[in-house]
Amino acid sequence: DTGVSQDPRHKITKRGQNVTFRCDPISEHNRLYWYRQTLGQGPEFLTYFQNEAQLEKSRLLSDRFSAERPKGSFSTLEIQRTEQGDSALYLCASSPNPSPDLNEQFFGPGTRLTVL
Amino acid sequence: GQQLNQSPQSMFIQEGEDVSMNCTSSSIFNTWLWYKQDPGEGPVLLIALYKAGELTSNGRLTAQFGITRKDSFLNISASIPSDVGIYFCAGQDSNYQLIWGAGTKLIIKP
Repeated sequence: DTGVSQDPRHKITKRGQNVTFRCDPISEHNRLYWYRQTLGQGPEFLTYFQNEAQLEKSRLLSDRFSAERPKGSFSTLEIQRTEQGDSALYLCASSPNPSPDLNEQFFGPGTRLTVL
Repeated sequence: GQQLNQSPQSMFIQEGEDVSMNCTSSSIFNTWLWYKQDPGEGPVLLIALYKAGELTSNGRLTAQFGITRKDSFLNISASIPSDVGIYFCAGQDSNYQLIWGAGTKLIIKP
């Protein structure tokens, strides 16, 4: 399977705990994106990487959130001191370098986070 | 927040019917993408549109990039049970960021 993979698929945690999610993009895709999706809404952009560089962060990404892509391949998203409002589906997507004629993001299955 | 208006919010269809949904925006987009999302899964890309006026088909799916670059529609012909799911439009801005609609939920009438 050469698609985007995410681990774990589901995570249940207690409020105040830290959680970390992993995303493995499609091989040789330079760009990696993190989104958050709540029920009845489309994905909301959190941050993205061009290779190992984190180029943009949404205002949604509070200080409790941190993302890394140390070697330009897989990425991790950590949430510290989780709150109930963090409960959502966290999606990862990857794409090759975008151009005016090509910018297709391919999504993983997501990590469903439930904060009790 | 989201800047796209996607309609309808939900559709109840019978197998075999044609389906139409659309997205409009106050902003110009360079690309329109249509995705389908099944429960518990990530969105799957259906069609990508790169030029104003472009009409593209993918099997029973047809999508068009509006001439004003502020809208797009998706049609599904002769719907089948596996078409059930949530369809999202996404517009790409000049920074290659995607802005998403809220989705159209497709439901098959029993």
